[in-house]
Order: sequence, then structure tokens, then C-alpha cells
Amino acid sequence: DSGVTQTPKHLITATGQRVTLRCSPRSGDLSVYWYQQSLDQGLQFLIQYYNGEERAKGNILERFSAQQFPDLHSELNLSSLELGDSALYFCASSVAVGSGELFFGEGSRLTVL
Amino acid sequence: AQTVTQSQPEMSVQEAETVTLSCTYDTSENNYYLFWYKQPPSRQMILVIRQEAYKQQNATENRFSVNFQKAAKSFSLKISDSQLGDTAMYFCAFMKPHYGGSQGNLIFGKGTKLSVKP
Repeated sequence: DSGVTQTPKHLITATGQRVTLRCSPRSGDLSVYWYQQSLDQGLQFLIQYYNGEERAKGNILERFSAQQFPDLHSELNLSSLELGDSALYFCASSVAVGSGELFFGEGSRLTVL
Repeated sequence: AQTVTQSQPEMSVQEAETVTLSCTYDTSENNYYLFWYKQPPSRQMILVIRQEAYKQQNATENRFSVNFQKAAKSFSLKISDSQLGDTAMYFCAFMKPHYGGSQGNLIFGKGTKLSVKP
């Protein structure tokens, strides 16, 4: 158990819909990262938050947004969903001091029909 | 920009034997970190081993060891005495050092699917 909690574990929805994925980082970790894993793109970094502020952006679509709340949990919002958004979405957290490695949650499997 | 390349999409090994997974990377940084993550069918990403670029000594964790060649930008993973539970996708990853809240995201290779056969 990495200590990172993601909900829901599985989600099936239709094209055009909007979903929210939730992540609770390990106790004490200030940084949260979101990754998308798909068969064709592999593991892609989406976005990073540190103590409530956005710190880095990767290949995140404009239809996607995220935020980190004062209690440090984070949410990834995916809107106007397309078939190609079907993927495994990982949240990871780190202490973000020095060279701390990332600890991953179990992921949220999104299927868009 | 940093890139990570894993040239072996799939590999197989007999139980109890040794296997080596390859990884090369490209960076202009002098100080960085390298990782191997394991993703079993349960899909959880699990850290296997990490290496700091400033350390010449290769990292070792029980049956897992790396061969880090900084000049060649190579970072291979050796699994000794392979076990059925080692069956998984293995991802090589690169990270620039980060402090405070600066960027610390991992850049992953495409992965190598390892099958351990009884």
C-alpha cells in the first residue's frame, strides 16, 4: 500500500460527459502529480500541484483541469469526454524536497463509450 | 527535453534465471535520478530501485540491481533468481532533481513486458 488513495477505481461513462477523479496523497506529501496511461501513448505526465499551486504542466488537454485543495487532496476534472480519453489515470505524491521518489495510487480506470 | 527509451517491448525468462532489461536516456543535465518501476497485472506502479547520477556505485535491492553507465546514458536492470511474481511491465524513468515545490515529474519509457515462465 503506497498510501495514495484514488477514487473511483473504475468509471464508465459516455462521450460528451464530465467526470471527476479524486486523489488523496500520502500523509505529509505536498506535491501531487497526475499521469495518464494509455496503450498508444504510454505514461504521460499531465500536471503537478504543490501545496495548492500549479507547478508544472505536461500534455494536458484544455478539456482537462485539476486543482489541489487546502487539505492537499486533488481532483482531476475531465470534460467533453471522447473515446480517446479512455485510459488509466494515476495520481502520485511526493514530499517534493530533494530527490523524493513518487508514490503512486492504484489508478482510476476510465472507459468512455 | 529529456527522453527515455526502452528498446525491448517484451521479454521472457525462465524461473530462477537472470534477465536484464535495457534503458537509455537522453539529457543535458549532470545531476538527475533514474528509477525502475514495476507494474504488475494489479496495475499498481511500484518502485523497484533508484539511482542517483552523482553516485558511481550501482544501486542494489535484493535480487534487483542496475548497471548505470553515465557516459553512455544507459541504465539497465538486472533481475536475478527470477520469480513468477516478477511478471509485470517494467518502466524506466528519469527525474531531474527538485527542491521545495519545483518540478519533479517523472519521464517514463514505453515499458518492457516481462514474463517469467515456470
